[in-house]
Amino acid sequence: QKEVEQNSGPLSVPEGAIASLNCTYSDRGSQSFFWYRQYSGKSPELIMFIYSNGDKEDGRFTAQLNKASQYVSLLIRDSQPSDSATYLCAVKGGYQKVTFGIGTKLQVIP
Amino acid sequence: DAMVIQNPRYQVTQFGKPVTLSCSQTLNHNVMYWYQQKSSQAPKLLFHYYDKDFNNEADTPDNFQSRRPNTSFCFLDIRSPGLGDAAMYLCATSTRTSGSSYNEQFFGPGTRLTVL
Repeated sequence: QKEVEQNSGPLSVPEGAIASLNCTYSDRGSQSFFWYRQYSGKSPELIMFIYSNGDKEDGRFTAQLNKASQYVSLLIRDSQPSDSATYLCAVKGGYQKVTFGIGTKLQVIP
Repeated sequence: DAMVIQNPRYQVTQFGKPVTLSCSQTLNHNVMYWYQQKSSQAPKLLFHYYDKDFNNEADTPDNFQSRRPNTSFCFLDIRSPGLGDAAMYLCATSTRTSGSSYNEQFFGPGTRLTVL
């Protein structure tokens, strides 16, 4: 079992729709959870982080964490073509190591 | 603006010819990381420094070495690059606060390494 699992996609959504990206993790001792956006050929850019169960909103982005079910998700409201990128889920485990998922490729169709 | 800088952005080397990639930061972060990312794969942590303390991942090949002469700079040395080492190499920084908690990472633009 991979430590951090994501569906590689592509996930295609029409412009203006809500994009839902999901991530599951195996280490129950995980403490912090991060979402990074990575455009093709570029480096990852931090979008959001979340530590506590529940929702955290920042503009069009909402991160959701459920530690009991070991999943974290990212919702992007009013999706724009400029949101088209690969979204990496990263999990900081009990030993402080940050593990990245393979990323989900999001395509927003104009 | 505070940032993480990597040089060069593109590096071409020959099979077996040593290469050094550099990373510098103006964020004054005490933790610096090196990741290897191949196409359509997750970034893979090679090692990290907490101040001058070096932490190597168990599966990082001996071919990869690192130096951190001061807070601002960190180098990745690949002693004998093979074709399988062609990848994007990402440097990242973070802070380490109370206890042993590492915080979110900020990435440099990356160095794309080609091995001929």
